[in-house]
Amino acid sequence: DGGITQSPKYLFRKEGQNVTLSCEQNLNHDAMYWYRQDPGQGLRLIYYSQIVNDFQKGDIAEGYSVSREKKESFPLTVTSAQKNPTAFYLCASSRGVTGTEAFFGQGTRLTVV
Amino acid sequence: AQSVTQLGSHVSVSEGALVLLRCNYSSSVPPYLFWYVQYPNQGLQLLLKYTTGATLVKGINGFEAEFKKSETSFHLTKPSAHMSDAAEYFCAVSDTGGGADGLTFGKGTHLIIQP
Repeated sequence: DGGITQSPKYLFRKEGQNVTLSCEQNLNHDAMYWYRQDPGQGLRLIYYSQIVNDFQKGDIAEGYSVSREKKESFPLTVTSAQKNPTAFYLCASSRGVTGTEAFFGQGTRLTVV
Repeated sequence: AQSVTQLGSHVSVSEGALVLLRCNYSSSVPPYLFWYVQYPNQGLQLLLKYTTGATLVKGINGFEAEFKKSETSFHLTKPSAHMSDAAEYFCAVSDTGGGADGLTFGKGTHLIIQP
């Protein structure tokens, strides 16, 4: 089955530690995205990538980093510089063509203690 | 810049009643519009989308939405609510300038179904 896999589903980290969230897709999509979801805030775009080895900052990129070394993979690192990292993180992909929808993974809930 | 406003963070309806979730958008170019549904601790699933053509769009699970350009609206409806419809619903917009820079989402509406 084609889809997007995020792992792990739940992640706990101590304050000050970097943590990397995994996102893999087998849909052969060119574009991939990371969103952050907080209660009552909707989804906010962190980073997106249209092609391999290229990515752009979204609306709330500070404290996050990404890489896109392979078409299928778009890992997100939450660094210690992110002041409020506890949130639900969603990865998505699309064909990157105008009017096409995004497909989402099941999300990773990150809790920093 | 584009934006999406969903009126009502929580909407409560009785089982069997009409569901109406409101979405208004602003966009400097003709938009593409989407409705997604999210169940607790899950990702988002596409309900329906409007790109071009017919302004009344039918989606999954009996939902439909109508694009009204004059009102800059894309409200989601379902004639008869079912308990399984209880979820969070998100309206999203993408402008026609390009599809790869992500969707802009509204803040979501939590749909509550009363038995």
